Amino acid sequence: DAGVIQSPRHEVTEMGQEVTLRCKPISGHDYLFWYRQTMMRGLELLIYFNNNVPIDDSGMPEDRFSAKMPNASFSTLKIQPSEPRDSAVYFCASSTRLAPPLDTQYFGPGTRLTVL
Amino acid sequence: EDKVVQSPLSLVVHEGDTVTLNCSYEVTNFRSLLWYKQEKKAPTFLFMLTSSGIEKKSGRLSSILDKKELFSILNITATQTGDSAVYLCAVTHFGNEKLTFGTGTRLTIIP
Repeated sequence: DAGVIQSPRHEVTEMGQEVTLRCKPISGHDYLFWYRQTMMRGLELLIYFNNNVPIDDSGMPEDRFSAKMPNASFSTLKIQPSEPRDSAVYFCASSTRLAPPLDTQYFGPGTRLTVL
Repeated sequence: EDKVVQSPLSLVVHEGDTVTLNCSYEVTNFRSLLWYKQEKKAPTFLFMLTSSGIEKKSGRLSSILDKKELFSILNITATQTGDSAVYLCAVTHFGNEKLTFGTGTRLTIIP
């Protein structure tokens, strides 16, 4: 079974541009998470969805960030406008509480974002 | 707010040595503690612990949780160069599905 799929794997953009990151969770998983990882702050949760509904977005830095999950197999994280401090690796993860091991989240390969 | 502290921040040992990584936490309504291994890519799941005193084991890796003292340890015996990675500890609490991660321990195994 395919794992979590993210695209693109690398993104280089200029300050002020819009960036869209994409994620396909593991089939059958009903939770989807977006994380950001930096050297300074480590791995931080931005937002998570349950059955396509946003549950906790308290980690979203500011209004420049938005996330959607239009269906069970696709989610996007958008940054508009992007800033150099947004440079980080963005991970998508998915999980389910319908089968053990519960609480275990499976991570995608990440998108390395560089904003110049 | 949940808090996870890992120690040491980094560790360098020789192949064949045994290492112990530490994770302490402060969580209201604790549910579980998880260990992940991160090489130059995504974190991969190692263990999930919910009960005190019960050791989880997988090959040369093992982990145990102490819910009274609020910490967990991850042991790796007979280390190999392939064990070099960042080891992340995370916790969950009831009422929310989020993982709160520590900053990790960077383990380097010298051949």
